[in-house]
Amino acid sequence: AQKITQTQPGMFVQEKEAVTLDCTYDTSDPSYGLFWYKQPSSGEMIFLIYQGSYDQQNATEGRYSLNFQKARKSANLVISASQLGDSAMYFCAMREGQGGSEKLVFGKGTKLTVNP
Amino acid sequence: DSGVTQTPKHLITATGQRVTLRCSPRSGDLSVYWYQQSLDQGLQFLIQYYNGEERAKGNILERFSAQQFPDLHSELNLSSLELGDSALYFCASSVVGQGRTEAFFGQGTRLTVV
Repeated sequence: AQKITQTQPGMFVQEKEAVTLDCTYDTSDPSYGLFWYKQPSSGEMIFLIYQGSYDQQNATEGRYSLNFQKARKSANLVISASQLGDSAMYFCAMREGQGGSEKLVFGKGTKLTVNP
Repeated sequence: DSGVTQTPKHLITATGQRVTLRCSPRSGDLSVYWYQQSLDQGLQFLIQYYNGEERAKGNILERFSAQQFPDLHSELNLSSLELGDSALYFCASSVVGQGRTEAFFGQGTRLTVV
């Protein structure tokens, strides 16, 4: 069963507008972490933002914020004031495991295109 | 710059051959992960090492093996290569046990098997 679901294969947004990229997850572990990574066309994976399952507040990092709805098991990424350089693939990931044995499970990604 | 170094950046080799991908983690990170990214499979976790010990194993083929050395660098060995092994291979490192444990990724090695 897919543990991370990103239902939007592609998204388009106008420059300077905000955009929300969806992510739902599935886990029975009470302790987990959720991450978003950006992969531009050059290929590198860039860490954007993290949300822990016990965090009381939604995470924010500059123009990135994570809309964490625990009961709905969703962790949507909000990018405010989109820039042309935001055009990239975006991956949602969940940390599985603990105590030194861990891995990130990734969704299939959303390709974001920012139009001028 | 994530601080994780992968070499080589590109590799072209023939079917049946063996290659070694190298990864140097960020300074202070004890945990190294290997991931494979292909068009059809997406990002797949292969294996994790923590301070020299194998800790978690994912969808890693028997033809693939990895190790982490005392200086914490890691190598991923791919043997009897097939066309389907063509992919982008990422190494990532993290400080395990620190709560966040976000993994910082290297630039990747793009492997092309011809």
